[in-house]
Amino acid sequence: DGGITQSPKYLFRKEGQNVTLSCEQNLNHDAMYWYRQDPGQGLRLIYYSQIVNDFQKGDIAEGYSVSREKKESFPLTVTSAQKNPTAFYLCASSILSANEKLFFGSGTQLSVL
Amino acid sequence: AQKITQTQPGMFVQEKEAVTLDCTYDTSDPSYGLFWYKQPSSGEMIFLIYQGSYDQQNATEGRYSLNFQKARKSANLVISASQLGDSAMYFCAMREGLTGGTSYGKLTFGQGTILTVHP
Repeated sequence: DGGITQSPKYLFRKEGQNVTLSCEQNLNHDAMYWYRQDPGQGLRLIYYSQIVNDFQKGDIAEGYSVSREKKESFPLTVTSAQKNPTAFYLCASSILSANEKLFFGSGTQLSVL
Repeated sequence: AQKITQTQPGMFVQEKEAVTLDCTYDTSDPSYGLFWYKQPSSGEMIFLIYQGSYDQQNATEGRYSLNFQKARKSANLVISASQLGDSAMYFCAMREGLTGGTSYGKLTFGQGTILTVHP
């Protein structure tokens, strides 16, 4: 089945630690995105990528980093500089078309120990 | 200023009845798109319906329809014949600058509305 796979489902971070969230898609989509969702809130864009080896900052990129070495993969690293990392992280992908919907993964819940 | 406003934190509806979830938006861009997503307790975001700013007719997808009032900048979601499985969080989202080619995927989301369907 085609789709987006996020792992792990739950992740815990210790103080000062970097952690990486995985996102893989087999939909052959060019564009991939990372969103953050806080409890009871909407989604906010962290980073997005429209092509391999290129990515742009979203609205809340500070404390996060990404890479796009392969079309299928767009991992997100939550660095120690992100002081409030506890949130639900959603990865999405889409084709490059103005009215095209985003397909989302099932998310990763990150908590601080 | 909020680009997407959903003023109803929670809504209740009886099974088999219709419900309207409100969404107002703010943009000066003439070319934009409006999306509605459903988020069940599992967390995954499910696309429901899309309306483009230049679309002449209101969008419909099965039991979902979008009441698009451009002058009022509102894009309310109407769910007809509610089912228990419709209980979820619903998000309205907007993409601006559709003709510029630089806004792909950059959706701005509202705060969401929790819908509870009672049997």
